[in-house]
Formats: sequence, C-alpha cells, structure tokens
Amino acid sequence: GQQLNQSPQSMFIQEGEDVSMNCTSSSIFNTWLWYKQDPGEGPVLLIALYKAGELTSNGRLTAQFGITRKDSFLNISASIPSDVGIYFCAGQLFSGTYKYIFGTGTRLKVLA
Amino acid sequence: DTGVSQNPRHKITKRGQNVTFRCDPISEHNRLYWYRQTLGQGPEFLTYFQNEAQLEKSRLLSDRFSAERPKGSFSTLEIQRTEQGDSAMYLCASSNTGKETQYFGPGTRLLVL
Repeated sequence: GQQLNQSPQSMFIQEGEDVSMNCTSSSIFNTWLWYKQDPGEGPVLLIALYKAGELTSNGRLTAQFGITRKDSFLNISASIPSDVGIYFCAGQLFSGTYKYIFGTGTRLKVLA
Repeated sequence: DTGVSQNPRHKITKRGQNVTFRCDPISEHNRLYWYRQTLGQGPEFLTYFQNEAQLEKSRLLSDRFSAERPKGSFSTLEIQRTEQGDSAMYLCASSNTGKETQYFGPGTRLLVL
C-alpha cells in the first residue's frame, strides 16, 4: 500500500534534547495528523493541522503544515523517557477522498 | 466520550478459518475506517464508511475480506479462509464530517497459525 516518506526512521537521543522529524510526499494533502503509538496499542492523536503554513503546539510538541501542502514536521522539545515510541504522520489527500495515508514511522528512544 | 473500542483485542486462529472483528466508534462520529498494520509499518488503509455506506475500498481488501456497518453505528470486518499472511494488527478509527480528525481504537491483533 501507499505510504508517506518519514524521516528519520529511528533515533536515539539524550533526555532533555529536542527532536525533529518530518514527512514528505509528492502529493498534495488537505490535512496532516501526527500520532504516537506504543507497542500493542492503537495510535494516539497528538496534533492535527488543517491549513498550509499552520503551526500548532500541544505542550512540548509543535507541528507545522508545509506551505506547499506536501510536507509536515513535528518537533518535541526537552524530551523525557515517556516520549519513547513510534511517531506516525498521516495525510488526507487533497482529492475528494476522506482516507488517510500514513508514514513509515519514526522510532524514538530516549536515553535517561 | 468513551473512545473507539474494538473486540476482541487478540485472536489466534488456524489457517482456513473465518474470523470477525467488531469496532464501536465514538458515538457521534459518522465516518469509520479500517486499517491493517504489520510489524514495522504504518497503518495501511483498507476501507471506510460514511454512515452505513461503504465509500472506498483499498486493493488490499481481497474478496476474502468484507466489512459492514449496517446501521451506521458499529462495524464488523470479516476475513474468510484466513491465511498466514493475514496475521497483523487490525485497527479501527472514527471521525466526524467537517472535522477530519481520526481517533483510533486499541486494535485487534490477529495471528493465523
């Protein structure tokens, strides 16, 4: 199935460091969503973006909808051990469908 | 708001058997989605409903798979004649028209022996 390009695939960081990850595509998207998934559980919604250029924060998380509508990034500031998990982006195509396409995931490990 | 629920959480079956999963969306949500997720991958779209109408199906949804949402509330996903390649996490999500934000259930993990 179709999936978005998400990078990096995985990262180890020290507690307290800032983290940045992004999603890119050749397609134009209407909406971007960012999720976190823990092992054996469903994805949990972190941030939703609806407009090109939109910058939205949720606590230590900040995400932006790219101006071209083809990309998005997620930043986590001052990471803590519970930030460990897999982060997925999901885009809703700007083409009349309401389905979402997911990224391949960024696996984050935080070293205390 | 009790969130999206899925049952069962785990299912082990033998190859060739039929299985059925249930999803109960957030009560006021009119759209319901099914995804499949294999290890190390992001969720892959299978199908979605708006109310009781099934509006789109992925090519991943072979003729052994069928999904229903008869009254526009809960949905079922049935897999007939299961194969080992069907082993995966099956995720359900729901959203509402005008606010395209999907909320996921905990998933049903299927293992086909």
